[in-house]
Amino acid sequence: DGGITQSPKYLFRKEGQNVTLSCEQNLNHDAMYWYRQDPGQGLRLIYYSQIVNDFQKGDIAEGYSVSREKKESFPLTVTSAQKNPTAFYLCASSIYRGPTYEQYFGPGTRLTVT
Amino acid sequence: KQEVTQIPAALSVPEGENLVLNCSFTDSAIYNLQWFRQDPGKGLTSLLLIQSSQREQTSGRLNASLDKSSGRSTLYIAASQPGDSATYLCAVSIINAGGTSYGKLTFGQGTILTVHP
Repeated sequence: DGGITQSPKYLFRKEGQNVTLSCEQNLNHDAMYWYRQDPGQGLRLIYYSQIVNDFQKGDIAEGYSVSREKKESFPLTVTSAQKNPTAFYLCASSIYRGPTYEQYFGPGTRLTVT
Repeated sequence: KQEVTQIPAALSVPEGENLVLNCSFTDSAIYNLQWFRQDPGKGLTSLLLIQSSQREQTSGRLNASLDKSSGRSTLYIAASQPGDSATYLCAVSIINAGGTSYGKLTFGQGTILTVHP
């Protein structure tokens, strides 16, 4: 079964702690993305990676970090520097269907920081 | 900076109605436009993707159109069903300096659709 998995589905942390969200895909997609969704809002891009060992900041990268050591994996760390970390986090990957990319999304992780 | 707006924010219709969801974007230099469906607490499901050179795409009861010059797209849902109830999001990817795309998407806020029996 090909797809994108995110774990855990729900995550609770105390303020001041770093937390890492997992994203794995077995679609053989080159590009991967992290988005954040707040209630009543669309998604905003945090980080993206076009290839292994390379990644770029999106629109709201402050307080987040990522790594891309393997093609299948793109973990996101929410650091204590992120002022409002409580949100729904979505991971995506995309394949190039010349001449365009089509994105596929995971089920999301809901992070609550108190 | 690209901005995407979706109207209406919420829509409630009786089962069987045909309906139109609207999406507008400020920068017409897009690479493609994608419509997604999101059920409460879930990830996004891709419905239709329209390349910048295309005018429309169809899948079953769904038809999406794109008018790049006016910065508009519409999603038409025929013969709506209660199972169509969800949030519908449109997103655009923009052209980078090299004339291609990194696949990054800019999203609208979504339209919450409720189809009641």
